[in-house]
Amino acid sequence: KQEVTQIPAALSVPEGENLVLNCSFTDSAIYNLQWFRQDPGKGLTSLLLIQSSQREQTSGRLNASLDKSSGRSTLYIAASQPGDSATYLCAASGGDDYKLSFGAGTTVTVRA
Amino acid sequence: NAGVMQNPRHLVRRRGQEARLRCSPMKGHSHVYWYRQLPEEGLKFMVYLQKENIIDESGMPKERFSAEFPKEGPSILRIQQVVRGDSAAYFCASSPKSGTNYGYTFGSGTRLTVV
Repeated sequence: KQEVTQIPAALSVPEGENLVLNCSFTDSAIYNLQWFRQDPGKGLTSLLLIQSSQREQTSGRLNASLDKSSGRSTLYIAASQPGDSATYLCAASGGDDYKLSFGAGTTVTVRA
Repeated sequence: NAGVMQNPRHLVRRRGQEARLRCSPMKGHSHVYWYRQLPEEGLKFMVYLQKENIIDESGMPKERFSAEFPKEGPSILRIQQVVRGDSAAYFCASSPKSGTNYGYTFGSGTRLTVV
């Protein structure tokens, strides 16, 4: 059974600082690793999807890496802004390729 | 493209009542997934449906919970005789084909409160 852990649970940084969010998973036989953003009371917005054959994905200020051998993924957000304040969820897809196993999330606060 | 539509956004039920949650997938998507998010916990898979078929309901409690995705109309998650422990956010996602590699699109969720 896939277990996904996210550390830290919460993070507060001043505006402009780079953010580093960590995700670990127990089963390296994954199809992909995904990062989502969740705003309070809202749904999930897909940020990045890294296929199992890839090492990283980039979109604007966001970069996510994947190391299957160590069971880790890292989401980097460069030059953080107050609008980046949200909960970031990591999810791994393995075993059944239609099923995502989510971490509990890292809640980020960017102070102006 | 309206995206994945879930309604209602908020639902309050008394213990013992029934809750019906609706999910209309994105246009062209025939695969629907339901997830539940309990307070302070990550999202947990509940059920995967295609039109008129339940593919995997391994994450759904055996009693009181049921799901359907009829040929016409939205997918319905039904919870009978609700209890306080059912209070959670229920999210629906859809995809054009089976498999997370095709990308999930999530709805905004239904927040169920049982009083």
